[in-house]
Amino acid sequence: AQTVTQSQPEMSVQEAETVTLSCTYDTSENNYYLFWYKQPPSRQMILVIRQEAYKQQNATENRFSVNFQKAAKSFSLKISDSQLGDTAMYFCAFMKHVSSGGSNYKLTFGKGTLLTVNP
Amino acid sequence: SQTIHQWPATLVQPVGSPLSLECTVEGTSNPNLYWYRQAAGRGLQLLFYSVGIGQISSEVPQNLSASRPQDRQFILSSKKLLLSDSGFYLCAWKRIGNTIYFGEGSWLTVV
Repeated sequence: AQTVTQSQPEMSVQEAETVTLSCTYDTSENNYYLFWYKQPPSRQMILVIRQEAYKQQNATENRFSVNFQKAAKSFSLKISDSQLGDTAMYFCAFMKHVSSGGSNYKLTFGKGTLLTVNP
Repeated sequence: SQTIHQWPATLVQPVGSPLSLECTVEGTSNPNLYWYRQAAGRGLQLLFYSVGIGQISSEVPQNLSASRPQDRQFILSSKKLLLSDSGFYLCAWKRIGNTIYFGEGSWLTVV
């Protein structure tokens, strides 16, 4: 079974600074997808960034970027120029195809990192 | 545009009462649909997923059930709620490009 580990239950950062959230995963698959989701106090689950395992280039979305190390099974999220609105729970997630002949995919989540951006 | 909606947003139900949470997707056809539960403000647990009408796979044996009566409709049900069923329930769907997006969520409190 796939597992996703986020070793930092809580983190804090000063506004305008940079912070990195860690994520490791365990799989024997070669093709899969990795995601970071953000869950603010409203509890809505919002996609932050997506990485395809077959792509060596790290994904970036504005202030958000990842460091994807496939051999090490590591997928960290870097938030640059942190803003107060970045305060949220961040979840790392792994997705793979689970059955042949169909299009079923399963998403497995880590337990999350609570990020607080301080003014 | 492609959107996902779930309701009700908040529900308070007595122990032993039935449950029905509904999720619908618009702007697409034959999506993969999922129900997740988030308890105690942490981690998401996959409860059910569906690849088509009438096709339901259960991840965790429990007091809940799911149904997919129409292509873009996914329903989470229970005949008799338990206190342990309280939590935040999220419906999700997989879009083209293999990315999963979530609905707004439903808070269930069993009293």
